[in-house]
Amino acid sequence: GENVEQHPSTLSVQEGDSAVIKCTYSDSASNYFPWYKQELGKRPQLIIDIRSNVGEKKDQRIAVTLNKTAKHFSLHITETQPEDSAVYFCAASMGGSNYKLTFGKGTLLTVNP
Amino acid sequence: SAVISQKPSRDICQRGTSLTIQCQVDSQVTMMFWYRQQPGQSLTLIATANQGSEATYESGFVIDKFPISRPNLTFSTLTVSNMSPEDSSIYLCSSKGEGGTEAFFGQGTRLTVV
Repeated sequence: GENVEQHPSTLSVQEGDSAVIKCTYSDSASNYFPWYKQELGKRPQLIIDIRSNVGEKKDQRIAVTLNKTAKHFSLHITETQPEDSAVYFCAASMGGSNYKLTFGKGTLLTVNP
Repeated sequence: SAVISQKPSRDICQRGTSLTIQCQVDSQVTMMFWYRQQPGQSLTLIATANQGSEATYESGFVIDKFPISRPNLTFSTLTVSNMSPEDSSIYLCSSKGEGGTEAFFGQGTRLTVV
């Protein structure tokens, strides 16, 4: 089955700096890669996703890049703000509504004012 | 999109008892997914529930411990049976909007077994 590795497990940055979280996956059949943000005591919320036919996707301060050959994808947050502090999870799936997500272990991002 | 209502939001249970968690989706979905999230950990898939057939369990999870019902396309339950303190965790249900890829989550059930 799919295995998703995520690094780092914790990341501390100063407000305004950039943050990068990296994930690798094992199953070449995976074609959908979402990123979830989970604030303390809350449910995971999708912040950005990318499909395997695209190399990069950006949404304001958040971007995701995908390297299919190397089977890795990364989340980039620019101009970080204290409200970006949360746990971020990457995931991989074969996409479609019937396919499960396999999650990475998560990254605790702390943005210091 | 899909809105998922999950209950209870939290419970404290005695060891040896069972707890049933309910999830209601605001639209019809083929698959529902049940996850466990232990404190400070990632989401681990327990099982996938398809309406009209038996749930598919992931390695390490068995039907006797986590029976699942899926009586229709908008509802599912997960029971945590014969609970022990090791079952203390957050349990989350999830589904994707029909034909979609984005997974939506219920608000989670924080279970404490004493």
